[in-house]
Amino acid sequence: DAGVTQSPTHLIKTRGQHVTLRCSPISGHKSVSWYQQVLGQGPQFIFQYYEKEERGRGNFPDRFSARQFPNYSSELNVNALLLGDSALYLCASSNTPGNSPLHFGNGTRLTVT
Amino acid sequence: DAKTTQPPSMDCAEGRAANLPCNHSTISGNEYVYWYRQIHSQGPQYIIHGLKNNETNEMASLIITEDRKSSTLILPHATLRDTAVYYCIVRVANNNAGNMLTFGGGTRLMVKP
Repeated sequence: DAGVTQSPTHLIKTRGQHVTLRCSPISGHKSVSWYQQVLGQGPQFIFQYYEKEERGRGNFPDRFSARQFPNYSSELNVNALLLGDSALYLCASSNTPGNSPLHFGNGTRLTVT
Repeated sequence: DAKTTQPPSMDCAEGRAANLPCNHSTISGNEYVYWYRQIHSQGPQYIIHGLKNNETNEMASLIITEDRKSSTLILPHATLRDTAVYYCIVRVANNNAGNMLTFGGGTRLMVKP
């Protein structure tokens, strides 16, 4: 079975631009979470969606938004990009929002210049 | 979620057991201990989790002390491919808890020939 897939794998944007990152969960998984990993640090939680509803939100500004589609895939949107948004953006899926282990994709490397 | 403390780095000889410690002295009764690892340029990979009993799977063993204030992840026969950052995370496990994992700095395990 395919794991969590993310696209694109790499992306370069300019300050002030907008970016959309995409994630397809493991087949049968209904929960998707997004994490940001700045170089040298552990991943930081951004959002979680389950059954197309937001179930959790981390300490990120309103420039960050996300949604989940009927097929359980998800998009993460970031507006008005800042240099500090440069990071690896990870998507993870699980069966349920609770105890199930998270399965991560290999991320999208975003560079903001 | 309870905070965890891990050594920043460890070395292990190839073929030997790697024992990675984690302190979680403020863990609550309903919090599980999870271990993930992140190999360079990849997303975190789920390894194992447990509540209070020792657990074993095809990847590793998890030993949790009786008071649950610390645990050890054991890779029985480390290989060069086990070189990674290992994260110990404690997490409330119920369907309302969401998928917010709090990653610390982890332990950078270097397996040497």
